[in-house]
Amino acid sequence: GAGVSQSPSNKVTEKGKDVELRCDPISGHTALYWYRQSLGQGLEFLIYFQGNSAPDKSGLPSDRFSAERTGGSVSTLTIQRTQQEDSAVYLCASSWLAGGLAKNIQYFGAGTRLSVL
Amino acid sequence: GQQLNQSPQSMFIQEGEDVSMNCTSSSIFNTWLWYKQDPGEGPVLLIALYKAGELTSNGRLTAQFGITRKDSFLNISASIPSDVGIYFCAGQGARGSYKLIFGSGTRLLVRP
Repeated sequence: GAGVSQSPSNKVTEKGKDVELRCDPISGHTALYWYRQSLGQGLEFLIYFQGNSAPDKSGLPSDRFSAERTGGSVSTLTIQRTQQEDSAVYLCASSWLAGGLAKNIQYFGAGTRLSVL
Repeated sequence: GQQLNQSPQSMFIQEGEDVSMNCTSSSIFNTWLWYKQDPGEGPVLLIALYKAGELTSNGRLTAQFGITRKDSFLNISASIPSDVGIYFCAGQGARGSYKLIFGSGTRLLVRP
């Protein structure tokens, strides 16, 4: 597609349930990133994929959070046993990784707003 | 970990006025970026800065990469109502680290 696509756009779940958030990056982008944005805050890095591997998953808050990427394209962020503090907007971005940091412009999707009741 | 201090937190200005916002960091960044986020949308890149001291313009927007590599500012000249939104600075640090570190944002409101 033309841009980064995320689904669902909104997700309401009950505490303790598992949720899956999906990201379709811009076609051909090799790198994919997940960020979390709490209300009124900046974005917080979660994990980064280069192809299907994750060289940096240092931002995942706990072992309840996991992510995978298949075929160098679609990625899924899974949150198990959701807690109320997981409520936030989860944003995905993708980029080319072309010869150095200078060309690593990250393009963002509109996000998934997760509400844990 | 690396943190960015962004100020001001919010601004309410008259249409036509100029705006200035800045970010400072306790550590060095190799790249500074400025994004704008509208409600219900993801951030959109406004300006990217790659070299210390670099001054770059994009229409009414001007941004600079501080010479110490620990700060950046964004200026908006002659503001218009569609400038309303939240502006974020973001830094990219050590070589091999692709993650962005974001400031907490500046909320801009423009009075027609």
